Amino acid sequence: GAGVSQSPSNKVTEKGKDVELRCDPISGHTALYWYRQSLGQGLEFLIYFQGNSAPDKSGLPSDRFSAERTGGSVSTLTIQRTQQEDSAVYLCASSLARGGEKLFFGSGTQLSVL
Amino acid sequence: AQTVTQSQPEMSVQEAETVTLSCTYDTSESNYYLFWYKQPPSGQMILVIRQEAYKQQNATENRFSVNFQKAAKSFSLKISDSQLGDTAMYFCAFMRESGNTPLVFGKGTRLSVIA
Repeated sequence: GAGVSQSPSNKVTEKGKDVELRCDPISGHTALYWYRQSLGQGLEFLIYFQGNSAPDKSGLPSDRFSAERTGGSVSTLTIQRTQQEDSAVYLCASSLARGGEKLFFGSGTQLSVL
Repeated sequence: AQTVTQSQPEMSVQEAETVTLSCTYDTSESNYYLFWYKQPPSGQMILVIRQEAYKQQNATENRFSVNFQKAAKSFSLKISDSQLGDTAMYFCAFMRESGNTPLVFGKGTRLSVIA
């Protein structure tokens, strides 16, 4: 596709349920990033992929959060046993595998945990 | 660890005027990249401007320019001839030179352009 695609755009779930958020990066971009943005706040780094491997998982807030990437393309961020504090916009970005390359962002998934 | 500080949570400017958004950062590295991203109310993050730390010349993109002071670790964004469409959150961001590493963002400055 022409840009980074994220789905769903909105997700409402009940506390304790698991959710999966999907990111489809720009074709040919080997680097993929997940960020979280709480209401009115900056972007909190979660995890970064280079190809299918994740050299930096330092931002994952707890073991309820996990992510995978298959075929060097689509990535899925999974949140287990969701809590109300997980409510946020989850942004995905991709870039070419060169230092300093700009990131292209998706429109995000608005997650609301009731 | 690198940190990025934006000391102005909110700013406003009259249409057609000039405004400067501040950003400072902390790093021990000598080569790195700095960015300004814009997030309008629609939510889509868009790159505004990019600066390579080893370049002394300040980056410019049409009405947007930066004042990069490497010794002071300062990277301010100047918007000239402000337009209503410039209303957005502006985030300053830092990236290390070595490989693909995450962008580290500041908390953002909410800019309102007033007609």
